Amino acid sequence: DAGITQSPRHKVTETGTPVTLRCHQTENHRYMYWYRQDPGHGLRLIHYSYGVKDTDKGEVSDGYSVSRSKTEDFLLTLESATSSQTSVYFCAISSTGDHGYTFGSGTRLTVV
Amino acid sequence: QQQVKQSPQSLIVQKGGISIINCAYENTAFDYFPWYQQFPGKGPALLIAIRPDVSEKKEGRFTISFNKSAKQFSLHIMDSQPGDSATYFCAAYGAGNNRKLIWGLGTSLAVNP
Repeated sequence: DAGITQSPRHKVTETGTPVTLRCHQTENHRYMYWYRQDPGHGLRLIHYSYGVKDTDKGEVSDGYSVSRSKTEDFLLTLESATSSQTSVYFCAISSTGDHGYTFGSGTRLTVV
Repeated sequence: QQQVKQSPQSLIVQKGGISIINCAYENTAFDYFPWYQQFPGKGPALLIAIRPDVSEKKEGRFTISFNKSAKQFSLHIMDSQPGDSATYFCAAYGAGNNRKLIWGLGTSLAVNP
């Protein structure tokens, strides 16, 4: 999607290894979000950021950490990946936090 | 605790028919209600949105109907087309939610040709 890119698009990793997903935006939006999407669970918020170095937990934050050292980059880290973290991860950005979320194309993560 | 309840979970409609997806919310402080459309392999994209000061908003074949007293809102897709086959999410936003959208669980729509 224009203005927001996620990397990698696909990743397979082993249980217990650390994994970092990257979200990069060129829109200079203040708000950034990490979601995971699983069948039957919709979109669940993991962490979000409302500015550089300002982050907060979402509803499923256990096992995840985030960092935002620059406006354009929001990193999601799985400190020690588990099979339950196999999912599709989406990053979203918003200028105001309410309307007009723009989502990235997602990262499909498989933990074996 | 599901603050936005969406139904049905899945929906099959014939081409040319009307698709209706319903959402109900609990928090009266919500003041913005968007719908997102997601195609397989893609992220969700904003489709249409409404604020509670109006009862209906129409954009092309897509209409949101809003019932403030019942705390319900719905998406109607008129003349449904196979290209509308996607997952649809309703959501709600209120200033008390720390700049976060509250999401429904999604509806998988299939439009048969």
